[in-house]
Amino acid sequence: EIVLTQSPGTLSLSPGERATLSCRASQNVISNFLAWYQQKPGQAPRLLIHGASSRATGIPDRFSGSGSGTHFTLTISRLEPEDFAVYYCQQYGGSPFTFGPGTKVDI
Amino acid sequence: EVQLVESGGGLGQPGRSLRLSCAVSGFNFDDYGMYWVRQVPGKGLEWVSGISWNSDKTVYADSVKGRFTISRDNAKNSLYLQMNSLRPEDTALYFCGKGKSSAYQSSIDWWGQGTLVTVSS
Repeated sequence: EIVLTQSPGTLSLSPGERATLSCRASQNVISNFLAWYQQKPGQAPRLLIHGASSRATGIPDRFSGSGSGTHFTLTISRLEPEDFAVYYCQQYGGSPFTFGPGTKVDI
Repeated sequence: EVQLVESGGGLGQPGRSLRLSCAVSGFNFDDYGMYWVRQVPGKGLEWVSGISWNSDKTVYADSVKGRFTISRDNAKNSLYLQMNSLRPEDTALYFCGKGKSSAYQSSIDWWGQGTLVTVSS
């Protein structure tokens, strides 16, 4: 099983600042099948990025994904008030598919 | 509009069974892989199971393998999760999710609102 580690656990920033979230895998993620999700309290997760760097439909371009192999990054170029949430990475290259523990982005 | 609506949650006793259902609309159900993901309230996401568009491939988390069975009925636009030998650690909110592709290897681009399963005597 591929174990995903996310850092930092919590990121305290202000609107307008840049957020950089890290996701590291215990093994290579096949075909860079790595996704990022955003989850707000009381809501289901929302897909932001798939295939490590492709934005999902309707996702603003301030969200970008990068990386390959075992190290991936989600960058939010300028935080908007609605971006304060928990972010999860997920690998779907090797079964069982797994999620990271999440990074909370708060003010 | 894409909609996924889970049902079947509730109180289950340890060792007993529950069956979750997910009714979908707004897309061609038989074109996409489908998934179950669970979340203990206040905790992180745990991927549970996935199924390809034609049911020829199913995959499970180690924590549920041999106890849970995922299935789908493309004629009824429905996804199921048969949960046997329930354990207290299965207590969670269970989300149904639509894959971005027909394969079982896919990210999840649409999610239901979840159905709560509580396992307790």
